[in-house]
Amino acid sequence: AQSVTQPDIHITVSEGASLELRCNYSYGATPYLFWYVQSPGQGLQLLLKYFSGDTLVQGIKGFEAEFKRSQSSFNLRKPSVHWSDAAEYFCAVAGTGGFKTIFGAGTRLFVKA
Amino acid sequence: EPEVTQTPSHQVTQMGQEVILRCVPISNHLYFYWYRQILGQKVEFLVSFYNNEISEKSEIFDDQFSVERPDGSNFTLKIRSTKLEDSAMYFCASSRSSGGGETQYFGPGTRLLVL
Repeated sequence: AQSVTQPDIHITVSEGASLELRCNYSYGATPYLFWYVQSPGQGLQLLLKYFSGDTLVQGIKGFEAEFKRSQSSFNLRKPSVHWSDAAEYFCAVAGTGGFKTIFGAGTRLFVKA
Repeated sequence: EPEVTQTPSHQVTQMGQEVILRCVPISNHLYFYWYRQILGQKVEFLVSFYNNEISEKSEIFDDQFSVERPDGSNFTLKIRSTKLEDSAMYFCASSRSSGGGETQYFGPGTRLLVL
């Protein structure tokens, strides 16, 4: 069955510290992977996506993610977190021929001063 | 930059009433989607729509739900007889083509509260 697991419900980091949000997926075929961010009361904004090629992908706002097929993971990283990064982050997967995107449960990021 | 818009941003309705949620997808996109997010839960796929017909739907999308593209710009989700458990944020999305490689662009959502 297709699924996305985000093991951390919430994470708190200090401003300026590095961040890694974990994502594991289960997908029978070649997955397309996404990270979205949702600020309170807002819609979903695409941070980055992986289709093929270089397993380290760069996104907006200084985020990057690394696809590791052997670990079925697509972890999101940022070297230095800003207070404005506080939001909910969703990992998602889609297939080559499908229409739907499957989302993880999300990880809420809190940033402390 | 073009974006998906949704109206209304919030809607409160009584149980059993019909609601219509509206979306304006990005103008050159051909595929349209509805997702919902119950408070505190994950975003769930409801339905996809292409060429004036449903392409795929989830088990959530039962006979109470319907979608329509009434004109060249709007895409609507109708809930015929709302239930308390329909309270959620509903997101519309659109994409240029289908397949996982194509990015779906999401609107800001409509928060529906059923009393």
